[in-house]
Amino acid sequence: AQSVAQPEDQVNVAEGNPLTVKCTYSVSGNPYLFWYVQYPNRGLQFLLKYITGDNLVKGSYGFEAEFNKSQTSFHLKKPSALVSDSALYFCAVRDGNSNYQLIWGAGTKLIIKP
Amino acid sequence: KAGVTQTPRYLIKTRGQQVTLSCSPISGHRSVSWYQQTPGQGLQFLFEYFSETQRNKGNFPGRFSGRQFSNSRSEMNVSTLELGDSALYLCASSQGEGLYEQYFGPGTRLTVT
Repeated sequence: AQSVAQPEDQVNVAEGNPLTVKCTYSVSGNPYLFWYVQYPNRGLQFLLKYITGDNLVKGSYGFEAEFNKSQTSFHLKKPSALVSDSALYFCAVRDGNSNYQLIWGAGTKLIIKP
Repeated sequence: KAGVTQTPRYLIKTRGQQVTLSCSPISGHRSVSWYQQTPGQGLQFLFEYFSETQRNKGNFPGRFSGRQFSNSRSEMNVSTLELGDSALYLCASSQGEGLYEQYFGPGTRLTVT
């Protein structure tokens, strides 16, 4: 069955430290992978995506994510966290073998402490 | 370009009533998706439309329905409202299916009393 897992409900990071938000997936076809962010009292925003090509993709606000096919993972990373990065982060995947249905993770709350 | 717009932004209904929510996608976008977001259940997929055809549907009861018009605008309807339908309903549009990212509207906050 198709699924997306974000194993951590919440991640706490000190400002200036690197951050990682984890995402693993299970689909039958080629995956199209996405990260979205929801800031407090603001709408969901697209951050970055992996479609094909270079496994490391760069997105908005200094975020990047690495596609790892063997581990079926697409972890979100940032070298130096800012307090303003505190938000809810969602990983999503489209299954190329299943009418491109978009499957969402449960979300990870990222808290950056000054 | 104007972003995704949703109307109304806030709505209060009573149990048993029905409600229609509207979404206008970004100009040129042909795909519209609807989501329900609640604090306890997170982001739940309702349906996805592309060129007036429903392409995917989530696990919601038949009380939830939607449609897309020829100008790509979309509506969703909830009949016989229940208290548990209180949520933020999000609409998202994209250029198409597959590799395109979604752009979200601000949502409609529905409260059922």
